[in-house]
Amino acid sequence: AQSVTQLGSHVSVSEGALVLLRCNYSSSVPPYLFWYVQYPNQGLQLLLKYTSAATLVKGINGFEAEFKKSETSFHLTKPSAHMSDAAEYFCAVSGPLTKTSYDKVIFGPGTSLSVIP
Amino acid sequence: DGGITQSPKYLFRKEGQNVTLSCEQNLNHDAMYWYRQDPGQGLRLIYYSQIVNDFQKGDIAEGYSVSREKKESFPLTVTSAQKNPTAFYLCASSSQGAPSYEQYFGPGTRLTVT
Repeated sequence: AQSVTQLGSHVSVSEGALVLLRCNYSSSVPPYLFWYVQYPNQGLQLLLKYTSAATLVKGINGFEAEFKKSETSFHLTKPSAHMSDAAEYFCAVSGPLTKTSYDKVIFGPGTSLSVIP
Repeated sequence: DGGITQSPKYLFRKEGQNVTLSCEQNLNHDAMYWYRQDPGQGLRLIYYSQIVNDFQKGDIAEGYSVSREKKESFPLTVTSAQKNPTAFYLCASSSQGAPSYEQYFGPGTRLTVT
């Protein structure tokens, strides 16, 4: 069974500082990994996804994430935080289809990012 | 513009009443999903459908029902049997039910039951 943990339910950074949001997963098979962003009272929007093509994945709005199999991690980073980055971020994992079950996407609990002027 | 629409944005109901949340997509996606989001928690899957006229229970299906009569529509009914229905409900779709395909989300419906 797959699962996702996100260390830190709330992260605060200063504007212009590095953003690092942590995500660790457990999966018995090579996973597909996603980062989504949610602004207040809105749906989720895909930031980036890992599907085994490259371990360093670049996404929208300057975000990127690196898949590290040995650490079972998929941390999200951005070199310089902007005020508009303040939002909730969700890491998600899914796995290959099996013959007997649908491997649904499992979302982590989310990390709320605050950006301090 | 292609996307997912959910209506209404805010919904208020009295306890004991059934209520139906609308979800429509024009992305020509096969798979559709309903999630529930509560403060401080991630998304929890209520129901999903990979094809018309077929749907499966998710992790928290009790007190909810769905239908998938058309490819573009996947309405969710919150019944009076749902013990704690107040939440933010999100509908999503994906090109296929395969796990490598990202999900596209609607703007959500915030349901308040008093």
